[in-house]
Amino acid sequence: GENVEQHPSTLSVQEGDSAVIKCTYSDSASNYFPWYKQELGKGPQLIIDIRSNVGEKKDQRIAVTLNKTAKHFSLHITETQPEDSAVYFCAALGGYGNKLVFGAGTILRVKS
Amino acid sequence: DTAVSQTPKYLVTQMGNDKSIKCEQNLGHDTMYWYKQDSKKFLKIMFSYNNKELIINETVPNRFSPKSPDKAHLNLHINSLELGDSAVYFCASSPPSGIETQYFGPGTRLLVL
Repeated sequence: GENVEQHPSTLSVQEGDSAVIKCTYSDSASNYFPWYKQELGKGPQLIIDIRSNVGEKKDQRIAVTLNKTAKHFSLHITETQPEDSAVYFCAALGGYGNKLVFGAGTILRVKS
Repeated sequence: DTAVSQTPKYLVTQMGNDKSIKCEQNLGHDTMYWYKQDSKKFLKIMFSYNNKELIINETVPNRFSPKSPDKAHLNLHINSLELGDSAVYFCASSPPSGIETQYFGPGTRLLVL
């Protein structure tokens, strides 16, 4: 089955700096890779996703890149703000297409 | 106009008790899920239902029994609660177009004493 690894587990950045979170997956048949943001006491919220036929996708300050050959994908947040502080999860939709497998999460702290 | 709602938000109970968590979505989605998030924030799927039919059943103890009375509701019943069941349980749903985009509820924080 699919296995997703996520790094780093914690990340502290200064307000205005960029933050990068990386994930690798094991199943080469996986074709959908969402990123979720979870704020304290809330459920995960989808912030951006990418499909395997696309190498990069951008939405304002957030971008995701996908390298299918290396089986890794990354989340890039530019001009970080204190409200970006949260736990971020990557996920991959397994080759059989029946379930999302999540990474272990990254705690992002943006210091003002 | 809450999209995916869960009740209760907090649940504190004694070991050995039986409890239920309810989930409702008003998005018109066909597929609903239960996830468990442990103390280390690890998020893992437990069950998935599509149009009231079970389609995913991970290796979850049979003390956990999901029930879907209609496609807008997916409840989770837990028998003989154990200390290790303490976690946050999230309900989610996804649209008929595919299971990719999943929308999560606010979670139910279960503490077993």
